[in-house]
Amino acid sequence: ILNVEQSPQSLHVQEGDSTNFTCSFPSSNFYALHWYRWETAKSPEALFVMTLNGDEKKKGRISATLNTKEGYSYLYIKGSQPEDSATYLCAFDNFNKFYFGSGTKLNVKP
Amino acid sequence: EAQVTQNPRYLITVTGKKLTVTCSQNMNHEYMSWYRQDPGLGLRQIYYSMNVEVTDKGDVPEGYKVSRKEKRNFPLILESPSPNQTSLYFCASGGLNVGYTFGSGTRLTVV
Repeated sequence: ILNVEQSPQSLHVQEGDSTNFTCSFPSSNFYALHWYRWETAKSPEALFVMTLNGDEKKKGRISATLNTKEGYSYLYIKGSQPEDSATYLCAFDNFNKFYFGSGTKLNVKP
Repeated sequence: EAQVTQNPRYLITVTGKKLTVTCSQNMNHEYMSWYRQDPGLGLRQIYYSMNVEVTDKGDVPEGYKVSRKEKRNFPLILESPSPNQTSLYFCASGGLNVGYTFGSGTRLTVV
């Protein structure tokens, strides 16, 4: 079993705040790292797939960076909006065998 | 519309009664996978399939079987369900270059 850790477990911010969370994963034999957004009562929605050390991906106000040598990825949300409230999951892709973190639950207050 | 379709959405069954949860995708993806979600544990992979007739165990395969006879379908079979298999199940399909799409989930209760 591979250990994938996400922090913090939960986060409460005000509308307009920028925020970031961390995903830590094993730094050896890296293949890919995935980020998902999961709203309550829905299914996980893919945000980013990251494969190269130093990768930076962006989708609107959400961006992610990857450091495979030290085994971490950051997800950033700029100017949080109430509709960003969700659980953000990362998944370590060990050559098609997936290991998910427990997620960071973000609550954005208007 | 590109989608992954799981059926049923909800199922209550009794211990030992064989059941199948179906998963179908219309995106011609080679890769498909099953997960279970339990409170406090995060998503855990049960089985995955790289292509037709190619399946492999994930992290928690015990008590489950799968088959991949056609590219679009990847059913999850519980031969003899037990209460510890009560969970929320997700099917997903995709690939590294196209991303992964999840189905809507199946909430299974085994009594």
